[in-house]
Amino acid sequence: GAGVSQSPSNKVTEKGKDVELRCDPISGHTALYWYRQSLGQGLEFLIYFQGNSAPDKSGLPSDRFSAERTGGSVSTLTIQRTQQEDSAVYLCASSLDGLAGGAETQYFGPGTRLLVL
Amino acid sequence: RKEVEQDPGPFNVPEGATVAFNCTYSNSASQSFFWYRQDCRKEPKLLMSVYSSGNEDGRFTAQLNRASQYISLLIRDSKLSDSATYLCVVNLGTYKYIFGTGTRLKVLA
Repeated sequence: GAGVSQSPSNKVTEKGKDVELRCDPISGHTALYWYRQSLGQGLEFLIYFQGNSAPDKSGLPSDRFSAERTGGSVSTLTIQRTQQEDSAVYLCASSLDGLAGGAETQYFGPGTRLLVL
Repeated sequence: RKEVEQDPGPFNVPEGATVAFNCTYSNSASQSFFWYRQDCRKEPKLLMSVYSSGNEDGRFTAQLNRASQYISLLIRDSKLSDSATYLCVVNLGTYKYIFGTGTRLKVLA
């Protein structure tokens, strides 16, 4: 079946512009995660959605970052007024329901490579 | 101290060699442990979960040492296709997963 998809695969933007990244989770997965991976760094947790519950936004690095998930499926991560330090790979993952106490497999999308000039 | 620490490598080993990686974690309340594999410019994929009793999947063996707070991954009879970065992942029993920065393996012909 289809895995997690993300678009665009690459994005080059100028400092100060807004960008929108999209994630399509695996059908039926109610848990969705956004991570950021910078060169030589581990995956950094950004935000978590589970069903209709309020998202955990504790990992968002600044108020320029926001995310939403419409209809419990597709999610968009928006970065406003991009800065050069926002350059990274943004990875989306989904899992069945995120409620198994950390024992679930996360399935990752291919990521969006963002470069801010 | 980082929550999850790994030797970044690279570990350069010849084909057929046995190689082992360790990963240490700082939170003694950690409950679930995983090894993910990440190929260059690709997304991470689950390699195996790590169970308290240790577990094996073909050429791969994972072990957990709770007393010393580390997990290990052993790869026997290394193949060229094993070349990748191996990510150690720890979970506290919630939806939050803590990823290490990864250990890079290069298997040489």
